[in-house]
Amino acid sequence: DIQLTQSPSFLSASVGDRVSITCRASQGISSSLVWYQQKPGKAPKLLIYAASTLQSGVPSRFSGSGFGTEFTLTISGLQPEDFATYCCQQVETYPFTFGPGTKVDIK
Amino acid sequence: QVHLVESGGGVVQPGGSLRLSCAASGFRFSSYAIHWVRQAPGKGLEWVAVIWHDGSKEIYADSVKGRFIISRDNSENKLFLQMNSLGADDTAIYYCTRGVWSATMGAYFDYWGQGTLVTASS
Repeated sequence: DIQLTQSPSFLSASVGDRVSITCRASQGISSSLVWYQQKPGKAPKLLIYAASTLQSGVPSRFSGSGFGTEFTLTISGLQPEDFATYCCQQVETYPFTFGPGTKVDIK
Repeated sequence: QVHLVESGGGVVQPGGSLRLSCAASGFRFSSYAIHWVRQAPGKGLEWVAVIWHDGSKEIYADSVKGRFIISRDNSENKLFLQMNSLGADDTAIYYCTRGVWSATMGAYFDYWGQGTLVTASS
């Protein structure tokens, strides 16, 4: 199975900050990487697919990049509603594994 | 408007069985693969199983293979997950989610239900 790691596990930031989260795959997955946002008690919400394609309706302050084994989710100008947990998922090969998540908290 | 609504969760004794349902509306159900994803309390997401749009293929995570069965009824727009031999490690919120796939964009899960909680405990 393809393993995903995320760094950092926890991130403390302020409104307006630019933050980046890294997701690393145990083997090359081309651009088969998806990012989700999850808030407490809620289902995950799709943010980005194919490593860098923004889902319809997602604010443009969210962006994704990367290829192969290293990927980055960037939030440019953190907003109060962005404080949540962010999780990556590889969709190159079944089982479609998820990363452990990065919690973004208010500083 | 796309909706996925899970039901059937509850408390079950270890070794017991439970059948989850997921009712879909607002889209052509028979055109999409549907997945089950679970999340243990305070933990990350774990992909569980997928069934092809026409029911022709199923794939399972190793952790549930041989114990869980995914199925669907396209005439009723419903997805099911039969869970047998449940253990404490199966305690989680179970989500059904619509899978989208294209040759250019790959796969992703664009709509999720609200989840149903399964607790395996004596």
